[in-house]
Amino acid sequence: DAGVIQSPRHEVTEMGQEVTLRCKPISGHNSLFWYRQTMMRGLELLIYFNNNVPIDDSGMPEDRFSAKMPNASFSTLKIQPSEPRDSAVYFCASSLDGKDQPQHFGDGTRLSIL
Amino acid sequence: AQKITQTQPGMFVQEKEAVTLDCTYDTSDPSYGLFWYKQPSSGEMIFLIYQGSYDQQNATEGRYSLNFQKARKSANLVISASQLGDSAMYFCAMREGVYSGGGADGLTFGKGTHLIIQP
Repeated sequence: DAGVIQSPRHEVTEMGQEVTLRCKPISGHNSLFWYRQTMMRGLELLIYFNNNVPIDDSGMPEDRFSAKMPNASFSTLKIQPSEPRDSAVYFCASSLDGKDQPQHFGDGTRLSIL
Repeated sequence: AQKITQTQPGMFVQEKEAVTLDCTYDTSDPSYGLFWYKQPSSGEMIFLIYQGSYDQQNATEGRYSLNFQKARKSANLVISASQLGDSAMYFCAMREGVYSGGGADGLTFGKGTHLIIQP
């Protein structure tokens, strides 16, 4: 079975540019999560969706960050304009509904903003 | 607020020995779940094992088991007969309200323990 698919795997871009990260969750999973991992702050939840609806975006650091889930098989995380402090690994994860269900992570996108 | 503490930033263990990775948590919610993840150097996050706060028995999954001590608010991961491939970062995570219904929500992660298995 296909796992969570993220693209791109690596992204290097210059400050000020728009960055779009993409995620395809596991088929049948109806919860989707975006996390950010840095050395300083560890793994942080940015936003999550249940049944394509954003439930909690309190972890989104600034208005420069936005996320969408137009359908059950696709989500995007956009940063506009990007800044060097946005450099991190961004993970997408999905799970079945239910708080006892484990989240299954994609391989992550390593983002570097120069 | 939820909080996860992993006190061992790094550990060196001899191959084939058992390993215990510590995790303590802080919550006022009696209904919670604890998750352990492995992150190898390649970067992916791999789910290992889950323990619910009302589960009667400690969780086990192959060579992984949880030493769950509810009164002490600890959920230590035990890896039996360690292998070189176990070298990785290990993260403990928690979610509150697991028995109260409702949709899934995010996990709160600890800072992780870097485990190195030596031959």
